[in-house]
Amino acid sequence: DQQVKQNSPSLSVQEGRISILNCDYTNSMFDYFLWYKKYPAEGPTFLISISSIKDKNEDGRFTVFLNKSAKHLSLHIVPSQPGDSAVYFCAASGRSGGGADGLTFGKGTHLIIQP
Amino acid sequence: ETGVTQTPRHLVMGMTNKKSLKCEQHLGHNAMYWYKQSAKKPLELMFVYNFKEQTENNSVPSRFSPECPNSSHLFLHLHTLQPEDSALYLCASSQELNAIQYFGAGTRLSVL
Repeated sequence: DQQVKQNSPSLSVQEGRISILNCDYTNSMFDYFLWYKKYPAEGPTFLISISSIKDKNEDGRFTVFLNKSAKHLSLHIVPSQPGDSAVYFCAASGRSGGGADGLTFGKGTHLIIQP
Repeated sequence: ETGVTQTPRHLVMGMTNKKSLKCEQHLGHNAMYWYKQSAKKPLELMFVYNFKEQTENNSVPSRFSPECPNSSHLFLHLHTLQPEDSALYLCASSQELNAIQYFGAGTRLSVL
């Protein structure tokens, strides 16, 4: 039973356009959400996070939106660049003690930026 | 370079072997984690240590035995593994529990 779902295994976007990666979760105890980026032969690298008390967090080209009522979050990358081609993982935790002490991950979405 | 180093990067072992995976973090963090990533599956949390004490064992079989001698080092001792244990094993650390985690590059394990 997956608590964090990324329903798109892959996404292809043209360079310069907006990339939107989606993530859904089922555990209402999750209150902290993170996005990680992973290149082949490397470990996941932290990208951006959002607490459940916010609905938006922005860092340069990356913005994460959280819709708690829908249990949905999304990562927007604009403009998309060739170096953004990687696998993106959505992760969640219950910082207030509602879940495991580690992170619960989705399966990942492989983002491909087309020149 | 994330400050979390895992060795070896690749490991091939037979089902009767005993081997260990090592993780070292140079970030001054207090929490360390082991994750497993099998093909076409999400990363699965295995073990969590906070200030050298195990706080989470996510129903992992006893053929995987973690050890955390200090806050900077984490080991995963392996014995009598099965072929289905072949996976990428990732170590992570964080300043405190449920803070942002920083990952090593992983050990790619193949069990023959």
